[in-house]
Amino acid sequence: SYELTQPPSVSVSPGQTASITCSGDKLGDKFACWYQQKPGQSPILVIYQDTKRPSGIPERFSGSNSGNTATLTISGTQAMDEADYYCQAWDSSTVVFGGGTKLTVL
Amino acid sequence: QVQLQELGPGLVKPSETLSLTCTVSGGSITTYYWNWIRQPPGKGLEWIGYTYNNGSTDYNPSLESRVTISADTSKNQFSLKLTSVTAVDTAIYYCARGARGGNLYYYFYMDVWGKGTTVTVSS
Repeated sequence: SYELTQPPSVSVSPGQTASITCSGDKLGDKFACWYQQKPGQSPILVIYQDTKRPSGIPERFSGSNSGNTATLTISGTQAMDEADYYCQAWDSSTVVFGGGTKLTVL
Repeated sequence: QVQLQELGPGLVKPSETLSLTCTVSGGSITTYYWNWIRQPPGKGLEWIGYTYNNGSTDYNPSLESRVTISADTSKNQFSLKLTSVTAVDTAIYYCARGARGGNLYYYFYMDVWGKGTTVTVSS
């Protein structure tokens, strides 16, 4: 079965750029999306089809996907961006999530 | 806008069947993919399966032997049944709308989520 691997945690200082990676075999040949989940809340889609932002998602969120790695980048990170982030892809009629990354804004 | 709400018992006994319903408002379930996802306490997201195209389904291979997802278009609802539950099935269960497309490579994402419902498996 297909697997996506994320680092368990990433730390960033306010105003700096945070990068969260998601690795999978030939992930660049698939489409990745990203969800943000804050404590006690449902996940929210922040990036889809590798690079697209849904309406209402700030421009500081961006995505890329090439080779075996998809990356979520948050530019000018704010305290409100502290959350868990999950990547997700679709493979052989199956939806696959990464294990999640806890982003801490120190 | 589209809204989803999960309903069902919060407590299920071991070996019994967990049954949940997701009611969709503001849009029809005859289009899109309608998903169930769960999250055990303190852990990550696990996709359970989806229904689409008025009854077609795909399931997580790890749960497929115990899962049934069905749609009732007359009520604009879709449902989850998970048989023979144990404590490891204790989780927050979410329903979500999914979109799929593409040609050579397919994209899939879930853009609308319910608030989730907590299900505890315990005697």
